[in-house]
Amino acid sequence: KQEVTQIPAALSVPEGENLVLNCSFTDSAIYNLQWFRQDPGKGLTSLLLIQSSQREQTSGRLNASLDKSSGRSTLYIAASQPGDSATYLCAVRPSNTGNQFYFGTGTSLTVIP
Amino acid sequence: DAGVIQSPRHEVTEMGQEVTLRCKPISGHDYLFWYRQTMMRGLELLIYFNNNVPIDDSGMPEDRFSAKMPNASFSTLKIQPSEPRDSAVYFCASSFSGVQQFFGPGTRLTVL
Repeated sequence: KQEVTQIPAALSVPEGENLVLNCSFTDSAIYNLQWFRQDPGKGLTSLLLIQSSQREQTSGRLNASLDKSSGRSTLYIAASQPGDSATYLCAVRPSNTGNQFYFGTGTSLTVIP
Repeated sequence: DAGVIQSPRHEVTEMGQEVTLRCKPISGHDYLFWYRQTMMRGLELLIYFNNNVPIDDSGMPEDRFSAKMPNASFSTLKIQPSEPRDSAVYFCASSFSGVQQFFGPGTRLTVL
C-alpha cells in the first residue's frame, strides 16, 4: 500500500520568504500527484496536478516538482503572504490500483505578517 | 458549475441514530469519492464510485457504514447506528476520469 509522508507537520515563516514543502511516497509507480490547500474549517482546494510523465507544474507563485524515482515531490511557494497560511496536503494516485488517491497528513503553514 | 455540493453542512445527532450525508458531484464527472477527516487519522478514503458503481469500499470502517449512488448526480453515505467515534468531517469529491479531484465543503458530523 502506498504511504505518503509530509514533513514538517508545521511550518512558520515571515512574510516574503520563499519556502518549500515536502512530500514523499513509498511506491514510485504513480499515475499522478496532486497538491491541495485546506483552510481551517473548509474543504480542499486543488492547487497543482503533476502527471507521472511531468517533472514540474507552475501556477503563479506556486511551483510543484516531481521526482518519481526518489519518491518525492516539493511544493515551492515564492514570496509568501499571510493569505498563504493554510494546511497543504499532497495526494498520490498509484498507477496500478485503480483511482484511489492516498493523502499525506499535511503541513500546516503560518505566514507571519 | 456550482462545484460539489454536500448537505447538510453540519449534523449533530445522538448515539444510535441514523445519519445520512448527501453529495451532488460536478456534472459530467464520472468518479465520486467519500472521505473522512479527523485530527487523529487525517484524511481517509472510505469508498469511491465510477459511473455509479462502487469500485473500492475497503476503506469503509464497518458494516454500520453504507454508500449508494443511484444516479450520476447523487450519492449518499449512511451511518446506522451512529457512534461518538464517527464524529468527523466527511468530504465528497468528484473527478473526470479520475484525474483531478474537486472537493465539496464537507459535512461536520457530531455524534453525542
